[in-house]
Amino acid sequence: EAGVAQSPRYKIIEKRQSVAFWCNPISGHATLYWYQQILGQGPKLLIQFQNNGVVDDSQLPKDRFSAERLKGVDSTLKIQPAKLEDSAVYLCACTSTRDEQYFGPGTRLTVT
Amino acid sequence: RKEVEQDPGPFNVPEGATVAFNCTYSNSASQSFFWYRQDCRKEPKLLMSVYSSGNEDGRFTAQLNRASQYISLLIRDSKLSDSATYLCVVKNFNKFYFGSGTKLNVKP
Repeated sequence: EAGVAQSPRYKIIEKRQSVAFWCNPISGHATLYWYQQILGQGPKLLIQFQNNGVVDDSQLPKDRFSAERLKGVDSTLKIQPAKLEDSAVYLCACTSTRDEQYFGPGTRLTVT
Repeated sequence: RKEVEQDPGPFNVPEGATVAFNCTYSNSASQSFFWYRQDCRKEPKLLMSVYSSGNEDGRFTAQLNRASQYISLLIRDSKLSDSATYLCVVKNFNKFYFGSGTKLNVKP
């Protein structure tokens, strides 16, 4: 089966600019996650969707980050305005019925 | 206190060695446990789930100790290709928590 697709793979922006990431999970995987991974750390959950509803966004910096999954399939994550500390890899993942997470290749964001 | 803690390493071992990593978790009600492998500049990939009875997959053995709240990963006969960061993942109440990873370097 096809894996999790993410785009773009790399993005360089200046601080205070905005950026958007896109994710298309594995077909039929209802739960979708966005993680932020800073170098040397494990992935940190930003937001979790079940179909098109938000399950957990407690760690999403809502003053600058937003995410949506309108039709319960693909999802977008936006940052506006970006800060230097947002430089990280943004990973999208989905889960199978056995709680096994499948990750996309990630988007490497550099904020200058 | 972090939900999941791991020794960051690095563990530097020669080819053919046996190496073991531990990971501790703080919530005794945690339901599911996993080991993921992450290569440099790549996404995490599931290595194995960890069952209460322990499980083995080739050279890899994972065990769960609920009483002491830790999981372990044992790698036998290490290969150069085993060099990676190993992430411990714990699920509590529909939420996954990742450790920071343990780095393994297998040397020729």
